[in-house]
Amino acid sequence: GAVVSQHPSRVICKSGTSVKIECRSLDFQATTMFWYRQFPKQSLMLMATSNEGSKATYEQGVEKDKFLINHASLTLSTLTVTSAHPEDSSFYICSARSGVSYEQYFGPGTRLTVT
Amino acid sequence: DQQVKQNSPSLSVQEGRISILNCDYTNSMFDYFLWYKKYPAEGPTFLISISSIKDKNEDGRFTVFLNKSAKHLSLHIVPSQPGDSAVYFCAASDDMRFGAGTRLTVKP
Repeated sequence: GAVVSQHPSRVICKSGTSVKIECRSLDFQATTMFWYRQFPKQSLMLMATSNEGSKATYEQGVEKDKFLINHASLTLSTLTVTSAHPEDSSFYICSARSGVSYEQYFGPGTRLTVT
Repeated sequence: DQQVKQNSPSLSVQEGRISILNCDYTNSMFDYFLWYKKYPAEGPTFLISISSIKDKNEDGRFTVFLNKSAKHLSLHIVPSQPGDSAVYFCAASDDMRFGAGTRLTVKP
């Protein structure tokens, strides 16, 4: 089956620093990647959708200058949390979809803690 | 505006009985729906899907029913097993947003 990896799985950073999270599709070409955020005991919140080679489309209320998304290749998308604050602490999950499939495959998630 | 909704935050059933998880949507143009299962601190895993040209799709213990006129779909798990305990999310492929999720607890 399709596999999506995320790195790192856990990261702790200090307030004011930036953190980059990588999302890779390992065995298929991901024309579209999605980034989600999940707060404890809450649903998955779609942050942005990115198509390879294009600028990401951000959901309402998501600061594009704070959450930088790059989808430079068909197998890699990155989310950079800039100038992180403690309220950015959350579980970030990416997913990927190939152009021929309705299904999206999720990464294992990244737990970000900002101290 | 949430176009996919799961109105039951939790469900508890006894092992061996049927679990029924519900999902409603507002956009009649949606044509493909998916159910995902999620354990804490893990990414969701795909469970089962259904196209709007069907009203039922079955895969082992899991069956999804789609009622287009009511804009409603449901996931049936029978017999339920303790390992099914997780949060279940429905989603419409067009929207890519998830319902709020239903936490299923299957008691031994």
